[in-house]
Amino acid sequence: EAQVTQNPRYLITVTGKKLTVTCSQNMNHEYMSWYRQDPGLGLRQIYYSMNVEVTDKGDVPEGYKVSRKEKRNFPLILESPSPNQTSLYFCASRKTSGGFGSPLHFGNGTRLTVT
Amino acid sequence: SQKIEQNSEALNIQEGKTATLTCNYTNYSPAYLQWYRQDPGRGPVFLLLIRENEKEKRKERLKVTFDTTLKQSLFHITASQPADSATYLCALEGSDYKLSFGAGTTVTVRA
Repeated sequence: EAQVTQNPRYLITVTGKKLTVTCSQNMNHEYMSWYRQDPGLGLRQIYYSMNVEVTDKGDVPEGYKVSRKEKRNFPLILESPSPNQTSLYFCASRKTSGGFGSPLHFGNGTRLTVT
Repeated sequence: SQKIEQNSEALNIQEGKTATLTCNYTNYSPAYLQWYRQDPGRGPVFLLLIRENEKEKRKERLKVTFDTTLKQSLFHITASQPADSATYLCALEGSDYKLSFGAGTTVTVRA
């Protein structure tokens, strides 16, 4: 089944404790992206990757890191989480080799709480 | 700065009626506009895409219009059903493959 898999689904941590949220897609998509979703603010892009070893900042990159060493994986790293990073996080991927206009495929989300 | 605005209020409608959602944008020239459905606690799911040179697109009970002069898209759910209750998001794609999303409109269909 074609899907984007994020882990974990729920995560509670304390301020300053490094964490990684994993994301994997099995559709051979070139483009991958991380979003955070907060009430009233909608989905905001954190980082995106056009392909392996190519990453770039989105609208809200501060406090986050990413890497794209393999096409299928795009982990999100919080080196020193803070309470304002408490949010619902989504990983997404899309095919871009055919040009513009392809849909984004989303994972089921990771709800992160930083105390 | 670029801005995408959807109906600020939640939409409550009677089963069988048509729900109409709006997506307005400013300081943007999108090549494509997409609509997604999101259920509570789940990731958004793609519904429809419309190109800048298309006026209207349909898929089953869904219809999307795109007016680049008004900078607006309308999303219609006809013959609505309780199963259509969800949050609907519009997303605009520019020339860099980036999809920017509105905050969404929550639709509740009463039986």
